[in-house]
Parts: sequence; structure tokens; C-alpha cells
Amino acid sequence: EDQVTQSPEALRLQEGESSSLNCSYTVSGLRGLFWYRQDPGKGPEFLFTLYSAGEEKEKERLKATLTKKESFLHITAPKPEDSATYLCAVQANNAGNMLTFGGGTRLMVKP
Amino acid sequence: EAQVTQNPRYLITVTGKKLTVTCSQNMNHEYMSWYRQDPGLGLRQIYYSMNVEVTDKGDVPEGYKVSRKEKRNFPLILESPSPNQTSLYFCASARGRDYEQYFGPGTRLTVT
Repeated sequence: EDQVTQSPEALRLQEGESSSLNCSYTVSGLRGLFWYRQDPGKGPEFLFTLYSAGEEKEKERLKATLTKKESFLHITAPKPEDSATYLCAVQANNAGNMLTFGGGTRLMVKP
Repeated sequence: EAQVTQNPRYLITVTGKKLTVTCSQNMNHEYMSWYRQDPGLGLRQIYYSMNVEVTDKGDVPEGYKVSRKEKRNFPLILESPSPNQTSLYFCASARGRDYEQYFGPGTRLTVT
């Protein structure tokens, strides 16, 4: 069974204090790993897709990396507007088009 | 504007009263999906559709039905809702099987 575990569940940072969110996964053949951002009361918003170990993608203050067992979302010099829940999801080769989501990390950035 | 829309956004109903939540996308996407999001359980896939007239079960399909008669629409049907279907529901669409999914704004359903 595919599993995705995100840590920490919640993270409080001061503005400008860089940190990383973790997404550990077990899947029988990874087709893709996805990162989403979700604001309260809204649908998840797509950030990145990673397909193979060693791959990295960046967008503004966010950088996603992938190994064979986990992915990290690095946040550099965060701002209060980066506060949100960050979701990780995996798509397995043998799971049709199903996405398995982790529980998310709730990030709070204080000014 | 490219978007996924859902209606209604909020719904309170009673046990056993059939309801339909509509989902529509204007991006000509082939793939559409329904999720429910519950505290402590995260997002779980209910049903998905690869194309018109092609649907398949996700993780938690019990108690739900879907149909895909047109490319742009993917309604979620609860024929006899029960309180354990109280949840936040999201519809999503994607260009195809390997592409990122775009989510709608959500429908908060309460079944009493």
C-alpha cells in the first residue's frame, strides 16, 4: 500500500527564518511526486511535480527536491504570505491515476 | 479564466435525501477527479475519470456515484447521504494522466 508521511505537522517560523518540510513516501514504483499549497477554505494549488531522484525545482522562495525515499520543500527567507498548509502527494506506476496525499504541514510565518 | 467550478459551495442536508454536487472545468481537460478532505485523514480520492464515459474507483468510493457524459462536467452523486459523508469535497481536473491536477474551491457538505 502506498503511504505518504509529512513532517512536521505544524511549523512556526519567524519572517526570514529558512526551514524545510519533509515528505517521506513508500510506493511501488514512483510515477510522480506533487507538492501543493492549500490556504484555509480553498482548494489545493499546484506548486511542483518531481519525477526522479535528484530532481530539483524552484519557484520564488520555494525549492523542492526528491530522493528515492523522500522529498523536501525548502523555504528560504519566508514571508507571512507563505503561511499555508503544504501537501505532498505521490502517484504510483501501478495505481492508475490515483494520488495518495500526505496529511500536510501547516506553516505559520510570523512577521 | 481557466478554472474548476463546484456548486453548491455549502450544503446542509438530512440523511437519505439524494443530492448532486456539480463540477465543471473550462480547460478541455481529459482527466477529472473527486476528493474528500477530513481532519486527520487528509485528502482521499473518491472517483476519477480518464475521459468521457470512463470512470474508476478511488480509495473511498462507497456511497458515491459519478458520471462523465460530457468532457467538462463530472457530477458527484450521493443517493442516500449519511452523517459519515459530512466532509469537504474537492473536484479536480488535469490535462491527462501524468499532469498536475487543478482543484476547485470546495464544497462543504453537512449531513444531519
